[in-house]
Amino acid sequence: GAGVSQSPSNKVTEKGKDVELRCDPISGHTALYWYRQRLGQGLEFLIYFQGNSAPDKSGLPSDRFSAERTGESVSTLTIQRTQQEDSAVYLCASSSRVGGTNEKLFFGSGTQLSVL
Amino acid sequence: AQSVSQHNHHVILSEAASLELGCNYSYGGTVNLFWYVQYPGQHLQLLLKYFSGDPLVKGIKGFEAEFIKSKFSFNLRKPSVQWSDTAEYFCAVNARTGGFKTIFGAGTRLFVKA
Repeated sequence: GAGVSQSPSNKVTEKGKDVELRCDPISGHTALYWYRQRLGQGLEFLIYFQGNSAPDKSGLPSDRFSAERTGESVSTLTIQRTQQEDSAVYLCASSSRVGGTNEKLFFGSGTQLSVL
Repeated sequence: AQSVSQHNHHVILSEAASLELGCNYSYGGTVNLFWYVQYPGQHLQLLLKYFSGDPLVKGIKGFEAEFIKSKFSFNLRKPSVQWSDTAEYFCAVNARTGGFKTIFGAGTRLFVKA
C-alpha cells in the first residue's frame, strides 16, 4: 500500500480480554516498529523487527505483551489479559532498514485502545 | 539508561515569535538525530534529520536544528512561527550503542496564537 496501515483504528475492550492489533507496513520496508503513546505522554518504544526477527524486545512492558511478524510484512501486537493501564494509542512505523544514515520512519495513524 | 529529554512539554507563542525547542540525549558515540512533527489529525512525519556533516540542518517549513555534540543537544528552531505550526514536536535518536532502535522524547505541544 501507499502508507502504513493499522487496524482497527479504535478498539474498546473489557479488562481481562485479549486484543490483537495489526500493522501493514509500506511494501518493501524491512524494519517495523511498535510504539505506545499514553494520553499526554511521549512515544514509548515497545519492540522492533528487522525482517521477521525481533532483535530488541526490551520495551515490552510485561509478558502480557507479544508481537510477531510474518513474511517480512504484516505484524501483530497481542496484549493478553488487558488492564486499564494498557489504554493508549499504539503506533506502528516502518522504514527501509533499522538505524543507519537513511532511516526515516513512516507512521500509521495508530490504534486507540480503551480498556474499560 | 539511554534516553531523550525534551525540556518543554507545552509552549504557547504568538505568530511571528521565534521558537526554540530543546532536546538532549544520553547516548554515547555516533548518533543519528531527528525531529518529527504531528499536526492535529495527521500522522507523525519527519521534519528534519542529522546524520553527519554540517551540524546545522534545515528541514521543511523553515525549521532548522543544530547538533551540538559537546552538549548532547539537538535543539529545534524557527525564526518566525505561524499559526499552522501548531502541532506536537518529537525529538528522536538512534545510535549503535542503543542497538539502532529509534527512541523518542516525550514531545512538546506547541500552540501558536493567531
